[in-house]
Amino acid sequence: GQNIDQPTEMTATEGAIVQINCTYQTSGFNGLFWYQQHAGEAPTFLSYNVLDGLEEKGRFSSFLSRSKGYSYLLLKELQMKDSASYLCAPMDSNYQLIWGAGTKLIIKP
Amino acid sequence: ETGVTQTPRHLVMGMTNKKSLKCEQHLGHNAMYWYKQSAKKPLELMFVYNFKEQTENNSVPSRFSPECPNSSHLFLHLHTLQPEDSALYLCASSQVEREGGYEQYFGPGTRLTVT
Repeated sequence: GQNIDQPTEMTATEGAIVQINCTYQTSGFNGLFWYQQHAGEAPTFLSYNVLDGLEEKGRFSSFLSRSKGYSYLLLKELQMKDSASYLCAPMDSNYQLIWGAGTKLIIKP
Repeated sequence: ETGVTQTPRHLVMGMTNKKSLKCEQHLGHNAMYWYKQSAKKPLELMFVYNFKEQTENNSVPSRFSPECPNSSHLFLHLHTLQPEDSALYLCASSQVEREGGYEQYFGPGTRLTVT
């Protein structure tokens, strides 16, 4: 079956660095997406990885290891506005996104 | 603004009512999606339309009926809903091509409450 596993909740301090891990099992693989979702709002696209390695985009970076079925999202220089849920979503062989329940990230001053 | 709009933003309906949710995308995409999001649960894919053709129906009850009249518009018709259908209903669009699919852009959602 298809499965996504990521922590339910994490807490970090403003200005610090946090890494949100995601492991996945899918029927086929066509890359992995990370989305950010603020409470009561729609998810917004953050990153896409299809090859192994690290993709950096400003304060956010995303890493993928296809052989391990593993990805992480790295957030640097945390700001209060980064408090949100972060959704890991690999794309299966039918180009459908398989969604995890998301990791709620709480940023404290 | 992501280029995907949804109306209404909030809807309260009784179990015997009939209502429709509307989604419109201004991005020129060829695929549109309906998702259900309940509290603390993963996004649940309900329906997918590629080039106006329905390609997915993930065992959704018949009280939910989708309609895609053209590549820019998507509707979800609701009738005789149950209280457990109360959730956030999200519409999304993306570009799907032979070599792969791309990121989905979401509308703001419709918060549905069934009384």
